[in-house]
Amino acid sequence: KQEVTQIPAALSVPEGENLVLNCSFTDSAIYNLQWFRQDPGKGLTSLLLIQSSQREQTSGRLNASLDKSSGRSTLYIAASQPGDSATYLCAVGGGAGSYQLTFGKGTKLSVIP
Amino acid sequence: GAVVSQHPSWVICKSGTSVKIECRSLDFQATTMFWYRQFPKQSLMLMATSNEGSKATYEQGVEKDKFLINHASLTLSTLTVTSAHPEDSSFYICSASLAGIEQFFGPGTRLTVL
Repeated sequence: KQEVTQIPAALSVPEGENLVLNCSFTDSAIYNLQWFRQDPGKGLTSLLLIQSSQREQTSGRLNASLDKSSGRSTLYIAASQPGDSATYLCAVGGGAGSYQLTFGKGTKLSVIP
Repeated sequence: GAVVSQHPSWVICKSGTSVKIECRSLDFQATTMFWYRQFPKQSLMLMATSNEGSKATYEQGVEKDKFLINHASLTLSTLTVTSAHPEDSSFYICSASLAGIEQFFGPGTRLTVL
């Protein structure tokens, strides 16, 4: 059974700092990996989707990498802003024809002005 | 594109009543829809997977007679929580997928059972 772990559980940084969020998964036979943002009491906003054949994806100040063999992904946020404060969820899409997503518990990010 | 809506966004009900939550894909036809539940400070847990026109597949530990899922069309899936109890209070989120490549998530429904 796939297990997804996110470290740290919470992170507080001053505005402008670059930061890295970590995600690890136990079964490397994945279809894809997604990073989401969730604001309190809200649904999910998809940030980046990495297919299993890819190593990274970039969108604006966000860069996500994937190392399938070691079961790891990182989300890099450059020049953090207070508006980046949210919970960031990592989700792994199953392999072997399964399209189900397994989520980590998330990292709660606070960017201090 | 790829917009998914949920209705209602929040609902409060008395213990023992049934509540229906709708999930719609607004601009694409979703062959598969997923239902998740999220308790406070926890991650999303998959409850069931439904394909249009067929019975839903429930995850282990999810009671199919309590959480009724209907996926009658390619743009609509419904989740009915039957005889709701306070422990069913949670945030329910659906997602819709076309060909399973990517899931697009709805905004969620906050259910509070008194």
